[in-house]
Amino acid sequence: GAVVSQHPSWVICKSGTSVKIECRSLDFQATTMFWYRQFPKQSLMLMATSNEGSKATYEQGVEKDKFLINHASLTLSTLTVTSAHPEDSSFYICSASTGRDSSNQPQHFGDGTRLSIL
Amino acid sequence: AQKVTQAQTEISVVEKEDVTLDCVYETRDTTYYLFWYKQPPSGELVFLIRRNSFDEQNEISGRYSWNFQKSTSSFNFTITASQVVDSAVYFCALIRADSSYKLIFGSGTRLLVRP
Repeated sequence: GAVVSQHPSWVICKSGTSVKIECRSLDFQATTMFWYRQFPKQSLMLMATSNEGSKATYEQGVEKDKFLINHASLTLSTLTVTSAHPEDSSFYICSASTGRDSSNQPQHFGDGTRLSIL
Repeated sequence: AQKVTQAQTEISVVEKEDVTLDCVYETRDTTYYLFWYKQPPSGELVFLIRRNSFDEQNEISGRYSWNFQKSTSSFNFTITASQVVDSAVYFCALIRADSSYKLIFGSGTRLLVRP
């Protein structure tokens, strides 16, 4: 149980394109979803926390107009990288939480999306 | 402030050697959880273990073992008889015991196990 599906797993697109990444909790309701960004050979950096039905809370230094997050349902959150540029190329990982400490894992991670902007 | 430090950037060992990955954390909370995750080259995060701040009992799971010492704020991870498949980046992480469930990751240790 507690599977998180992230789609797409790999995106290559031209500079200026907007890219949408989906994060779905397949077998549980995720009250909270998290979006992380990971540059090569670096750690995961939290970008934002989203709760279903409310606006996302962005970490310091993350442009909310650049990285649009929508958490419209208890099973789906989306991250849209608007007008992407080469410096936005990175590995983006989402995670989902039930909001209850009911398992050993407070966050269940998706498999990540590799975004390459040409 | 909360912080997780993994001082070892990269470790290279020969297969069958034992290897210990260090993790030191900082927190003012009395209740918190510590984690280890494995990230193989494919990128997904694999959960390995969670330990809460009130449980200092060491844990062993097959070739993996963890040593949690609150006195030194450390949560070290040892792989016994390492295998090539253990090659990955390993992250130590800390979370507060509140409703935010916000994970604080260390910088990771890249382990290379050579045949």
